[in-house]
Amino acid sequence: GAGVSQSPSNKVTEKGKDVELRCDPISGHTALYWYRQSLGQGLEFLIYFQGNSAPDKSGLPSDRFSAERTGGSVSTLTIQRTQQEDSAVYLCASSFRRNTGELFFGEGSRLTVL
Amino acid sequence: QQPVQSPQAVILREGEDAVINCSSSKALYSVHWYRQKHGEAPVFLMILLKGGEQKGHEKISASFNEKKQQSSLYLTASQLSYSGTYFCGTLRDDKIIFGKGTRLHILP
Repeated sequence: GAGVSQSPSNKVTEKGKDVELRCDPISGHTALYWYRQSLGQGLEFLIYFQGNSAPDKSGLPSDRFSAERTGGSVSTLTIQRTQQEDSAVYLCASSFRRNTGELFFGEGSRLTVL
Repeated sequence: QQPVQSPQAVILREGEDAVINCSSSKALYSVHWYRQKHGEAPVFLMILLKGGEQKGHEKISASFNEKKQQSSLYLTASQLSYSGTYFCGTLRDDKIIFGKGTRLHILP
């Protein structure tokens, strides 16, 4: 497809389990973001990848959260030992141009931790 | 530090105008506006890069006052399709940080 693809679209898990969320950005886009959106809340920045540079992890809320981007393309956000407060929609966005480019968002992965 | 948006929510009747403000305590180098309809992904509206710049999209326009460190989004003669949450974003340390959003509801 031509857009940003995220999977799974919905994930229900039990507290304490690990989850992996995947983002497949638009081909050729060098910038990739992960944001978190809790119910009725804004877009909370989590992590930013730009080309081959070291990622900006300053938004990750705890060391249970990690992300990687392989080959400058697909990214995986991993949440270990999930907690109920991790329940949210996790949005991935990519951009062709650094900083000033339009962000293209995926449909998101809705995570529910029971 | 994320930009601050006001108001938090607006209810309008179709055809009325609205203004959404975005301000920052730190210097603004660019302002990014997005709209998110209920249950959908945010969609890009416009980027303003220079102080005093104005841009338009449909009947939606925006201004950027670099000195005052603020931007305003103007929705003229609002349509039902304008309903959604509007986010402004700014560059912080080379990444885009968004405000908490302004929920806009248009009544017929």
